[in-house]
Amino acid sequence: KQEVTQIPAALSVPEGENLVLNCSFTDSAIYNLQWFRQDPGKGLTSLLLIQSSQREQTSGRLNASLDKSSGRSTLYIAASQPGDSATYLCAVNLGGGADGLTFGKGTHLIIQP
Amino acid sequence: GAGVSQSPSNKVTEKGKDVELRCDPISGHTALYWYRQSLGQGLEFLIYFQGNSAPDKSGLPSDRFSAERTGGSVSTLTIQRTQQEDSAVYLCASSRMGLTASYNSPLHFGNGTRLTVT
Repeated sequence: KQEVTQIPAALSVPEGENLVLNCSFTDSAIYNLQWFRQDPGKGLTSLLLIQSSQREQTSGRLNASLDKSSGRSTLYIAASQPGDSATYLCAVNLGGGADGLTFGKGTHLIIQP
Repeated sequence: GAGVSQSPSNKVTEKGKDVELRCDPISGHTALYWYRQSLGQGLEFLIYFQGNSAPDKSGLPSDRFSAERTGGSVSTLTIQRTQQEDSAVYLCASSRMGLTASYNSPLHFGNGTRLTVT
């Protein structure tokens, strides 16, 4: 069974710092991996989707990398802002007809003004 | 609307009652997913629809849970004889195509229905 782990569970940093969130998964035979953010009382917003054949994706201040063979992904946030405060979730898709994503429990991020 | 819409946003019900949760996906999205998010837990996959059919019902926790989708659009998740352990946020998501069909078909989530069973 695919398991997704996110470290750290919570992180608090001053505004302006660069930071890295980690995601690991046990079954490397994934189809793709997505990073989401979730604000309190809200649904999830897709940030980046990386296909299994890709190494990284970038969107603005966000960069996500994927090392499928080692079962790891990182989300890099540059020049953090208070508006980045949210819970960040990583999810992997095994594909193969069993659509649906396996989510990690997330990293709760606080950016201190 | 522009996004995935779920109703009600909050539902408080007594143990043993039935509840229906509704999801309006983004227009034109063929794939629809239901997830459950419990306090302190990750998201739990419940069911996936491609059009009106549900090829994967493996996540439904018991036979008290059922879901349907009509017209390739609106979906309802029904929980019969609710139990306290059913209390959670139920999230619906849609995508233009199933995740295995397209490289660029991210999920779009609604804001969820917070269900409290007393």
